[in-house]
Amino acid sequence: NAGVTQTPKFQVLKTGQSMTLQCAQDMNHEYMSWYRQDPGMGLRLIHYSVGAGITDQGEVPNGYNVSRSTTEDFPLRLLSAAPSQTSVYFCASRHTTDRTYEQYFGPGTRLTVT
Amino acid sequence: AQSVSQHNHHVILSEAASLELGCNYSYGGTVNLFWYVQYPGQHLQLLLKYFSGDPLVKGIKGFEAEFIKSKFSFNLRKPSVQWSDTAEYFCAVKGTDSWGKLQFGAGTQVVVTP
Repeated sequence: NAGVTQTPKFQVLKTGQSMTLQCAQDMNHEYMSWYRQDPGMGLRLIHYSVGAGITDQGEVPNGYNVSRSTTEDFPLRLLSAAPSQTSVYFCASRHTTDRTYEQYFGPGTRLTVT
Repeated sequence: AQSVSQHNHHVILSEAASLELGCNYSYGGTVNLFWYVQYPGQHLQLLLKYFSGDPLVKGIKGFEAEFIKSKFSFNLRKPSVQWSDTAEYFCAVKGTDSWGKLQFGAGTQVVVTP
């Protein structure tokens, strides 16, 4: 049981480039989410999904796209990277039936946009 | 919308000192509360959580937190810290939306000196 996995661990992009951050979980969790972590701002929700084919925006969705074609995978796409998207990105998941609402986090992707 | 406030952004203390980190939230109804920890270079791990019952919650590594409804607080405590407790600590609260998205505080960086 690998839990929540993310790739890559590190990435450097030039402004305007696009890329996809990968997230996968093997716990059959319905709920998956993407956060960005910036100093002094905690974690902010970018997008989330409550099941395959169902996604919605979080607090800071601009510049990011998501899709959920399977229960296991929830990729995050940066369409045209900007320096403001330099951050650490975390994926998390949980069961929608878990009344404690505890989320399990992946190891993160550190992204630098130059 | 829920909001979370962490009082201290940076705390430095010596080994064996006691630690208390403040956390206040804004919503007065039923709440689910969490403390997550992020050790240097690692992903977020759950320290403890409160969703019902005894307001004094015990977590891993000797940490505990007390839910005080009248003060909208969920402060984290540890009687005697170790160097290995150096980490960033995040308080989080389940939101009032139907999917219970987590709202995180800005985080507190704790440095424990030998």
